[in-house]
Amino acid sequence: GAGVSQSPSNKVTEKGKDVELRCDPISGHTALYWYRQSLGQGLEFLIYFQGNSAPDKSGLPSDRFSAERTGGSVSTLTIQRTQQEDSAVYLCASSLAGVQVPNQPQHFGDGTRLSIL
Amino acid sequence: DQQVKQNSPSLSVQEGRISILNCDYTNSMFDYFLWYKKYPAEGPTFLISISSIKDKNEDGRFTVFLNKSAKHLSLHIVPSQPGDSAVYFCAASGFNSGNTPLVFGKGTRLSVIA
Repeated sequence: GAGVSQSPSNKVTEKGKDVELRCDPISGHTALYWYRQSLGQGLEFLIYFQGNSAPDKSGLPSDRFSAERTGGSVSTLTIQRTQQEDSAVYLCASSLAGVQVPNQPQHFGDGTRLSIL
Repeated sequence: DQQVKQNSPSLSVQEGRISILNCDYTNSMFDYFLWYKKYPAEGPTFLISISSIKDKNEDGRFTVFLNKSAKHLSLHIVPSQPGDSAVYFCAASGFNSGNTPLVFGKGTRLSVIA
C-alpha cells in the first residue's frame, strides 16, 4: 500500500544493546514525526522532521536517543545502550507540510514494538 | 501536566445507539483538533478533524463538536456499529498549521455491544 511503513514490526533485545528503527513515510509527505506509546499511556512526541532537518527535538527523552532523515524520505530512530524503560511501541507519522498547506492530518504507521529484556 | 485529557478510559454502547466520546484541553493556543481510532497492533487511523474556526464537522456517521470557550470537544458516532470498537484518541496542535507535533490524550476504549 501507499501508507507509512515501519520496520521491524517487533524487536526484542537485551539491555545495553543499540537498536535502530526505520520509517518510510507516505510519498510526497515532507513532514515526519516520531512518537512512542508506553503501556497504558497516550502517544508521546519524540522528534519532528521538516525535510531533512529537525526543528523540534524537544521530546527526545535522553541523549541515548537520536534520529536522522536523509533524502527527505526515510528516517531512522536510534536508541543507544537501551534500558528497560525504553520498552514501548514506537510510532512514525507523516503529513503534507508547509504554512501554505495548513491543517493536514498526520498519518501513522503500525509501529515497532520494542521490548528490552 | 496533561494538556489534552480524555477522562473516560472506557465506554460501552449498544449497537445502533449514539457513542459520545469527550475530550478537554488546557492550552488556548491549540487551534486544530483531531480524532484517531486505534485497533490493537495497528497504528492510529485518522478519523476526523476540526479547525478552531468551526464548531462542528461532520463526515458520515462521525461528527466532531468544538466548544472553544469550554475548551472541550466531543466525537459523536451514530449509529454505533460493532466495528467501531477500538481505542479513540483525541489530539491537538497549535499555530494554525496542523504540522506541529500532536498532543494526545490517553484514549477512550469504546466497546459497541451487538
